[in-house]
Amino acid sequence: AQKVTQAQTEISVVEKEDVTLDCVYETRDTTYYLFWYKQPPSGELVFLIRRNSFDEQNEISGRYSWNFQKSTSSFNFTITASQVVDSAVYFCALTLREDDKIIFGKGTRLHILP
Amino acid sequence: EPEVTQTPSHQVTQMGQEVILRCVPISNHLYFYWYRQILGQKVEFLVSFYNNEISEKSEIFDDQFSVERPDGSNFTLKIRSTKLEDSAMYFCASSPPGQISDTQYFGPGTRLTVL
Repeated sequence: AQKVTQAQTEISVVEKEDVTLDCVYETRDTTYYLFWYKQPPSGELVFLIRRNSFDEQNEISGRYSWNFQKSTSSFNFTITASQVVDSAVYFCALTLREDDKIIFGKGTRLHILP
Repeated sequence: EPEVTQTPSHQVTQMGQEVILRCVPISNHLYFYWYRQILGQKVEFLVSFYNNEISEKSEIFDDQFSVERPDGSNFTLKIRSTKLEDSAMYFCASSPPGQISDTQYFGPGTRLTVL
């Protein structure tokens, strides 16, 4: 069975600090897709990134970066120079196919303090 | 940019009442989903729908739940007799035919409150 674990329930950092959100996944399939979603206080799910299992290249998008390591089944998310607007719940997620159900982790609530 | 829409944004109902949550997926998408998020918890898969039938459902999706695509644009989730524990945010999602670059697009959610 597939599983996504986000061990950090809640993190607080001061603005401008860097912060890394951890994600560990479990699956026996060799083809899978990993995601990060942001859920701000307004409640919607904002898609941040999708990665397939064959692409281990790390990715950077502005202040966001993702570190995918198949050897440790991890897909960690780093926010550099955090801002108050980054305060949200962040979900890591996994799916086996593009049209398959998405399995979410429990989320990490991130507080960026001014 | 096309987006998934959901109505209403907030629904309040009495326990035992039927509710219908509505979603309009992106027009060229073929796969449709409902997810649920109880307040403060993770997002959980309820059901997926393809080619006018359910393709997969979770153990949460019991006989109280049903889905329908009554016309070419709407996708609905019906809860026949709501319970207090059905209070949650319900997200609709859709995706086009499987392509590497595509993913599921989520609507803004409907917050259901059962009193």
